[in-house]
Amino acid sequence: GENVEQHPSTLSVQEGDSAVIKCTYSDSASNYFPWYKQELGKRPQLIIDIRSNVGEKKDQRIAVTLNKTAKHFSLHITETQPEDSAVYFCAATPDNYGQNFVFGPGTRLSVLP
Amino acid sequence: EADIYQTPRYLVIGTGKKITLECSQTMGHDKMYWYQQDPGMELHLIHYSYGVNSTEKGDLSSESTVSRIRTEHFPLTLESARPSHTSQYLCASSGTWGQGEQFFGPGTRLTVL
Repeated sequence: GENVEQHPSTLSVQEGDSAVIKCTYSDSASNYFPWYKQELGKRPQLIIDIRSNVGEKKDQRIAVTLNKTAKHFSLHITETQPEDSAVYFCAATPDNYGQNFVFGPGTRLSVLP
Repeated sequence: EADIYQTPRYLVIGTGKKITLECSQTMGHDKMYWYQQDPGMELHLIHYSYGVNSTEKGDLSSESTVSRIRTEHFPLTLESARPSHTSQYLCASSGTWGQGEQFFGPGTRLTVL
């Protein structure tokens, strides 16, 4: 089955700097890769996702890159702000009916003012 | 408004009690999931369902059971609660065809004394 690793487990950056979180997966059949943000005391929410037919996707200050050959994908946050402080989870899953997400263990991002 | 609802939001009970955590969604989704999560920590899949009368165990054995008699309803039952069950329980749902975003409910924070 799929196994997703995520690094680093904790990350502290100064406000305005960039943050990068990296994930690797094991199942070459996986072709959908979402990223979730979970603020303290709240539910996880999707912030960006990417499918295997593209290598990069951007949405304002966040971007995700995918390297299918190396089986890794990364979340990039630019111009970080205090409200970016949260736990971020990556996930991987085959794009087939009935296949479940496999989540990474999470990265706790702290943006220091 | 389409959403996922969980009740109760907080529950404190004694060891040995039987409890049912409720989850309902008005998203029109066929797939539903239960995750166990200690605050800010890894998401552990404990049960999932592809549709009515479909239930499957996830990776984490939590000594719980689920049922799916109606599309919108996916309750989780603990027959005999133990202190080790103290955690947050998150319900989620996703669409039927292909793989897409999982939407999470607000969670139930369970404490077993």
